[in-house]
Amino acid sequence: EIVLTQSPATLSLSPGERATLSCRASQSVPSYLAWYQQKPGQAPRLLIYDASNRATGIPARFSGSGSGTDFTLIISSLEPEDFAVYYCQQRTNWPITFGQGTRLEIK
Amino acid sequence: EMQLLESGGGLVQPGGSLRLSCAASGFTFSSYAMSWVRQAPGKGLEWVSVISTGSTDIKYADSVRGRFTISRDNSKNTLYLQMNSLRAEDTAVYYCAKSRTTMTTAFDIWGQGTTVTVSS
Repeated sequence: EIVLTQSPATLSLSPGERATLSCRASQSVPSYLAWYQQKPGQAPRLLIYDASNRATGIPARFSGSGSGTDFTLIISSLEPEDFAVYYCQQRTNWPITFGQGTRLEIK
Repeated sequence: EMQLLESGGGLVQPGGSLRLSCAASGFTFSSYAMSWVRQAPGKGLEWVSVISTGSTDIKYADSVRGRFTISRDNSKNTLYLQMNSLRAEDTAVYYCAKSRTTMTTAFDIWGQGTTVTVSS
């Protein structure tokens, strides 16, 4: 099983600041990594697929990068609605796995 | 608009069974792999199972293999999850999720979730 480790567990920032979230895989997942945003009481929303492609309707302030085992989600300038939990997910090997999440909170 | 709507959750005793359904609309259901993903209270996301477009390829997480069965009816645009021998640790919100492409990929559409509580 591929283990995805996200860091930090919690990130405290202010609106307008830049957020950098990390996801490290226990073995290579080439570029088959996705990022999701989840707000309380809501289903996850796909932000990024295949490491760097924004999903439909996702604002340009969200960007993804990386390959192999190290991936990054960057939110260039935080909006109030961006404070949520973020998960990475791989689909290279079975089972599909998710990271444990990074909570982005308002400082 | 592409939508998924789960139903069938509820309170069940340990050892009991439930059948979840997920009704799809707004897209060609038969063209996409579909999955179930669950989230225990206060916890992260856990993938449960996936089924290919024609039901020929099915995978399960180790935690549910042998107890859960995924299926789909493309004529009814509906995904199912039959859950037997339920345990307390199966308590979670269960989401159905659509793969972004025909193959199992990222999940681009999610339902609102249905809550399963296993308790005596």
